[in-house]
Amino acid sequence: AQRVTQPEKLLSVFKGAPVELKCNYSYSGSPELFWYVQYSRQRLQLLLRHISRESIKGFTADLNKGETSFHLKKPFAQEEDSAMYYCALSGSGTSYGKLTFGQGTILTVHP
Amino acid sequence: KAGVTQTPRYLIKTRGQQVTLSCSPISGHRSVSWYQQTPGQGLQFLFEYFSETQRNKGNFPGRFSGRQFSNSRSEMNVSTLELGDSALYLCASSLALGPEQYFGPGTRLTVT
Repeated sequence: AQRVTQPEKLLSVFKGAPVELKCNYSYSGSPELFWYVQYSRQRLQLLLRHISRESIKGFTADLNKGETSFHLKKPFAQEEDSAMYYCALSGSGTSYGKLTFGQGTILTVHP
Repeated sequence: KAGVTQTPRYLIKTRGQQVTLSCSPISGHRSVSWYQQTPGQGLQFLFEYFSETQRNKGNFPGRFSGRQFSNSRSEMNVSTLELGDSALYLCASSLALGPEQYFGPGTRLTVT
């Protein structure tokens, strides 16, 4: 079974501070991991995926297969980063394309 | 390119009725997935269609069904509505079968 856990429902930081949103997963095969973001009054959108190894809007995430984690990090948070962040997993084989989401973390960046 | 569109955006139905929601994917996208979002359960996968065939199905009762047309547009149907079906239903499209999905704004269904 696929499972994604985001242990923090709420996360508050001040502008300029580092931020880390935690994500742990459970999957027996080789998953693909993603971070999706939803800004206020906007639709859910892809932020980044682990296989691209890109940095988007200053965010990075490294897949740690040993710890089954895919934490999202940014060294200096900005107020415009305030949003709901979802970690998601796509399995392989017949589960490819089926996204399993975590419960989400609401990030608030204070001025 | 226009994004994923969903109609209607809001819907109020009575318990026991049925409802049909519509999704138009991004032009050129051939895969459509549906998700249910509720405060308690979060985002849950309903099903995925590709080339008019259901490729994946989530753990929902048979009252939830869907289909995809030759132009890739998709509909989902919920029969015998229950109060617990009140949710935001999200549609997402992708170029082919795959997890890099583009989401629509959702249809807010309220069952009274």
